[in-house]
Amino acid sequence: KNEVEQSPQNLTAQEGEFITINCSYSVGISALHWLQQHPGGGIVSLFMLSSGKKKHGRLIATINIQEKHSSLHITASHPRDSAVYICAVCQGAQKLVFGQGTRLTINP
Amino acid sequence: KAGVTQTPRYLIKTRGQQVTLSCSPISGHRSVSWYQQTPGQGLQFLFEYFSETQRNKGNFPGRFSGRQFSNSRSEMNVSTLELGDSALYLCASSLNVNEKLFFGSGTQLSVL
Repeated sequence: KNEVEQSPQNLTAQEGEFITINCSYSVGISALHWLQQHPGGGIVSLFMLSSGKKKHGRLIATINIQEKHSSLHITASHPRDSAVYICAVCQGAQKLVFGQGTRLTINP
Repeated sequence: KAGVTQTPRYLIKTRGQQVTLSCSPISGHRSVSWYQQTPGQGLQFLFEYFSETQRNKGNFPGRFSGRQFSNSRSEMNVSTLELGDSALYLCASSLNVNEKLFFGSGTQLSVL
């Protein structure tokens, strides 16, 4: 079993829908990152969380340390949100353990 | 402010050769971490440097090594290349641990 599990692996939705991507982990962590990767490889850090909830524009990330679970929500999804979203847990000194990623496709 | 710069962008090598990849972090960032991405294994942590010291290392063979210079620029070296080393190598910089990461565009290494 992977230390970081994401669900779903693939998600296709219509423009405007509310999107939720889940991440569960089984190891101790110092922080959790949500990353976005577009075709071509570039990775952008969306959030870094160690507790609670963070919001940036239409994106919201939450983490429950006791349940070892995090969610990434996208409100009013748009085709430009189409990308691979990756959950990564930090085990100290930027040692990240990555989930397998969720491929999100938003159709107009 | 310039972002994280990785050079070269693409590299083709043959088995048995060695390769050196370079990463220039964002000015003021002292932590540089390296990651390997392959279609089969996904993203994996290689190592992290802070103020010229390696603080953490992933589960890779000794053929993979790195270093960081006093200006925070970092290099990683892979010796005796194998076909399985073909991957996208990404570096990221941050101010310190548990700070937001900024990724470079990566170096796509192909081993023939």
